[in-house]
Amino acid sequence: DSGVTQTPKHLITATGQRVTLRCSPRSGDLSVYWYQQSLDQGLQFLIQYYNGEERAKGNILERFSAQQFPDLHSELNLSSLELGDSALYFCASSGGRVDEQFFGPGTRLTVL
Amino acid sequence: GESVGLHLPTLSVQEGDNSIINCAYSNSASDYFIWYKQESGKGPQFIIDIRSNMDKRQGQRVTVLLNKTVKHLSLQIAATQPGDSAVYFCAENPRYGQNFVFGPGTRLSVLP
Repeated sequence: DSGVTQTPKHLITATGQRVTLRCSPRSGDLSVYWYQQSLDQGLQFLIQYYNGEERAKGNILERFSAQQFPDLHSELNLSSLELGDSALYFCASSGGRVDEQFFGPGTRLTVL
Repeated sequence: GESVGLHLPTLSVQEGDNSIINCAYSNSASDYFIWYKQESGKGPQFIIDIRSNMDKRQGQRVTVLLNKTVKHLSLQIAATQPGDSAVYFCAENPRYGQNFVFGPGTRLSVLP
């Protein structure tokens, strides 16, 4: 158990819909990272927050957004969902800007 | 859980043998590297890391070798066990403060 929690574990929705994925980092970790992992691809970095502020952006679509709240939990919002958005979404946390990242169990999103 | 990386390169080894998983990284300025293990249905899990001022680092049953000349990283697992079956990712940190770039992964299959 990494100490990072993600909810929900599974999510099934339809095209065009909007969903919110939630992540609680390890106690004391200030950085939260979001990744997308499709069946045929490795981990694609989406976005990082550090102590409530956006720190870095990766391959995140404009339809996606995220935020980190004062209690350091984070939410990833996915809107206007398309079939190709079906993937595993992982959250990771770390204590600093460049530290070992601890991954949560992931949320499996299926868009029908 | 559903497997990721259905078309990943696969390394099959006999139980008890040593495994060597290779990774070519892209950025000669990368100064920090991590190997992650991802079991089916789970998030990636830290195995071992190495900084660019080192050539070799050993952990419990694992060794990471770094060859900066050819931008190559390898993970050696001694006395491979069935529990080692997983997908292994290398990750490079291109520059301090930047985010990790993950490799495509290699699937390790341990044969009885």
